[in-house]
Amino acid sequence: AQKITQTQPGMFVQEKEAVTLDCTYDTSDPSYGLFWYKQPSSGEMIFLIYQGSYDQQNATEGRYSLNFQKARKSANLVISASQLGDSAMYFCAMRGANTGNQFYFGTGTSLTVIP
Amino acid sequence: GAGVSQSPSNKVTEKGKDVELRCDPISGHTALYWYRQSLGQGLEFLIYFQGNSAPDKSGLPSDRFSAERTGGSVSTLTIQRTQQEDSAVYLCASSPTKRGGGTDTQYFGPGTRLTVL
Repeated sequence: AQKITQTQPGMFVQEKEAVTLDCTYDTSDPSYGLFWYKQPSSGEMIFLIYQGSYDQQNATEGRYSLNFQKARKSANLVISASQLGDSAMYFCAMRGANTGNQFYFGTGTSLTVIP
Repeated sequence: GAGVSQSPSNKVTEKGKDVELRCDPISGHTALYWYRQSLGQGLEFLIYFQGNSAPDKSGLPSDRFSAERTGGSVSTLTIQRTQQEDSAVYLCASSPTKRGGGTDTQYFGPGTRLTVL
């Protein structure tokens, strides 16, 4: 079975500071992909970053980086230099090679950036 | 290019009525997904299509829910005899991939907000 767990329902961070949003996963697939999405109050889901299970290096996209620890089955999102516009819900998701095209989502973390 | 579009953006209906929600994926995307998101909650998977077929319908909450996709493009999610608990935002997403795994992400539409009175 595939499962994504996000244990932080809400997080606060001071503007310009870095913040880590936790995500752990469970899968029996040998090959899988991990994704992070941002959902602002407007409701749109925005793709942020991707990590493949066989990637040797942690993914980075601008201020976003993914701290991938395969043995621990964790894929934490790190946002550096937080901005007020980063306030949103953040969802971790996974797709396995043996589970077709289905994506599995966590319950999300609400991030609030404080000025 | 054009992203995923959904219509209507908002739908208010009375309990017991049927509703149809439409999703127009990105051109050329073979996979299409429907999710439901209740207020303040995560995404609940409903169904996904690979081309016109639906390999996984396991997320449909009841037999009042059905979905179809024609021509490998537009999809319609139909809810019959709506109930108040069906009130939610219904999100559609598409992905270009033809097989499982891989780097292809989903691209989401803006959603349809359904309110059942």
